[in-house]
Amino acid sequence: QKEVEQNSGPLSVPEGAIASLNCTYSDRGSQSFFWYRQYSGKSPELIMFIYSNGDKEDGRFTAQLNKASQYVSLLIRDSQPSDSATYLCAVVTGFQKLVFGTGTRLLVSP
Amino acid sequence: DVKVTQSSRYLVKRTGEKVFLECVQDMDHENMFWYRQDPGLGLRLIYFSYDVKMKEKGDIPEGYSVSREKKERFSLILESASTNQTSMYLCASGPQWEPNNEQFFGPGTRLTVL
Repeated sequence: QKEVEQNSGPLSVPEGAIASLNCTYSDRGSQSFFWYRQYSGKSPELIMFIYSNGDKEDGRFTAQLNKASQYVSLLIRDSQPSDSATYLCAVVTGFQKLVFGTGTRLLVSP
Repeated sequence: DVKVTQSSRYLVKRTGEKVFLECVQDMDHENMFWYRQDPGLGLRLIYFSYDVKMKEKGDIPEGYSVSREKKERFSLILESASTNQTSMYLCASGPQWEPNNEQFFGPGTRLTVL
C-alpha cells in the first residue's frame, strides 16, 4: 500500500463548479498535511496546509482533514480554467519529511 | 519572498559523466531536500539535510550523493550518470518548526542522460 494515495484523474469540471480532490494516507501518526499545485513544466507551489481535524478555508480553497478515516481533501469553489493543474497531496512523516502522492490532474473547462 | 534557485533549468550529459546539481536558498532554512519527479511516480525523495554537513538518505539514494558545506547551499551529485537518471530534479528548502514543515521548491532541473 502506498503511503499517500490520490486518484490520478483527470478530474474534469465546468467553470464555476466545485472541484473535490481526495487523498488517503497510511501512517496514522501523521500530523501535518499539505496541498501543492503544480502547473505543467513548473515546480510545486503550496496552496494550503492543515493539521487539525475539520475544515480550513482560504479564499476559494477549503482543506478538510479526517484523521480517524485517514483522508484529507481539497475543495475548490468557483473553479476557473486557471485552476487547471496537477494537485499534489503531501503528508509529513518521520523527521520533517514530506511524502507526496502522485497527484490528481484537474481540468476546468470554460 | 522565499527564493530557491537551481543552477540549471536544462542539462544534457553523457553516460558515465559526473554531474553536479546546485541549489541555493535565501531564507536561512535549516532543511533542504532533493527530489526527482517522473511521470506516474510522483515526487520521490533522494536525500535531505537538516543542518550543515548533515545528510540523510531518502527513498531512492542509490547512484546519488549530496554535499552541504554551507547552510544556504545543497548539492546533488550523480557519481556516474546513467540513462535511468534522466528526470526532473527538484530542490526544496523549509524551516524546522512544527507543525508547519512547508517546503519551498526551486524551478527544477530537467536532466537528460544520453
